[in-house]
Amino acid sequence: NAGVTQTPKFRILKIGQSMTLQCTQDMNHNYMYWYRQDPGMGLKLIYYSVGAGITDKGEVPNGYNVSRSTTEDFPLRLELAAPSQTSVYFCASRRQGGQPQHFGDGTRLSIL
Amino acid sequence: TQLLEQSPQFLSIQEGENLTVYCNSSSVFSSLQWYRQEPGEGPVLLVTVVTGGEVKKLKRLTFQFGDARKDSSLHITAAQPGDTGLYLCAGAYGNKLVFGAGTILRVKS
Repeated sequence: NAGVTQTPKFRILKIGQSMTLQCTQDMNHNYMYWYRQDPGMGLKLIYYSVGAGITDKGEVPNGYNVSRSTTEDFPLRLELAAPSQTSVYFCASRRQGGQPQHFGDGTRLSIL
Repeated sequence: TQLLEQSPQFLSIQEGENLTVYCNSSSVFSSLQWYRQEPGEGPVLLVTVVTGGEVKKLKRLTFQFGDARKDSSLHITAAQPGDTGLYLCAGAYGNKLVFGAGTILRVKS
């Protein structure tokens, strides 16, 4: 069972470039989340989804977009990369009913 | 806005020592989760506490949820080098989690 898979693992972007961070889960979880983790700052919620076709903003959504066309996939899009978006990005998923979140191994993104 | 304050930020101790990590908030959470994260990996759940006053034990780790469900603590007895890592508390509200900033624990042999 693969769990939550994130690609790519590492990426360097130039300022102004765009890219999509991929996240897929094979546990048939309804709920999916995107976080960013900066040193000493814990995890901040960017966007989340409670099911296919439904997305909502988290704490730090500016500069990002998401879509949820299937239960399995929850891609995160950066349209105009800025140095402030240099971070480690984690995708997570969970079942309903207050179940814990399962995390991927993260994507390390540097914007230069 | 729900906030979780986690302390200390960094802890460096000798093998065999005991330690406690604290997680405090002015908000009430439906549950509180503790995660451990190793370098290059995502957080992994250690425990979920749901009921005010609840105490859960996981081998040498003891987790407590405050009576008012606003705070929690993690106590490690006789720490081992294998306990080294980043410990995160997370409070659940609605469909979301709010995370503390984390405690970096280093256990020296």
